[in-house]
Amino acid sequence: QKEVEQDPGPLSVPEGAIVSLNCTYSNSAFQYFMWYRQYSRKGPELLMYTYSSGNKEDGRFTAQVDKSSKYISLFIRDSQPSDSATYLCAMSLMNTGFQKLVFGTGTRLLVSP
Amino acid sequence: DVKVTQSSRYLVKRTGEKVFLECVQDMDHENMFWYRQDPGLGLRLIYFSYDVKMKEKGDIPEGYSVSREKKERFSLILESASTNQTSMYLCASSSPPESTDTQYFGPGTRLTVL
Repeated sequence: QKEVEQDPGPLSVPEGAIVSLNCTYSNSAFQYFMWYRQYSRKGPELLMYTYSSGNKEDGRFTAQVDKSSKYISLFIRDSQPSDSATYLCAMSLMNTGFQKLVFGTGTRLLVSP
Repeated sequence: DVKVTQSSRYLVKRTGEKVFLECVQDMDHENMFWYRQDPGLGLRLIYFSYDVKMKEKGDIPEGYSVSREKKERFSLILESASTNQTSMYLCASSSPPESTDTQYFGPGTRLTVL
């Protein structure tokens, strides 16, 4: 079993839809949770970063962490064609010196006009 | 803005060649990382470095080595390239744990070994 599971998609939605992207994980020691966006043939770029449980909002994006269920989500409101990309979740342990991240395999999102 | 640059976007090499992939960051970050990304497997950590001349093996170090002679530069070396090393290689850097703990990625090098 992988430490971090993520549905590969693709997830196809019309413009304006609310998108929900999810990851589950098995290691309850994870404390830092991140979402990266990766456009085709580019490197991942950091979208959202949260520590421990709770919600964090940034514009159209909301990151949610439920540590009791070992489940994290990224919500995108009013999705745009420019949101079409692969979304990677990543997480790391507290108290590590080197921030070794464990990544999901990514969910490909397609937003059609 | 954090900037991580990689020496080549696309590279084609032959089996058995020695391959150097270079990464440079301009944010004075202590930590640097090399990953490879393959469909269905996600990002896998090859090596990382937390200081000049220091290196640690990641999850898949076999067939690779690294060099960090200067803080801003981290090189990945394929001693004798093989076809199963055809992949997207991504470099990343991050600041110390007491900071944001996030990693910033370069644009990637797509390596094809023939």
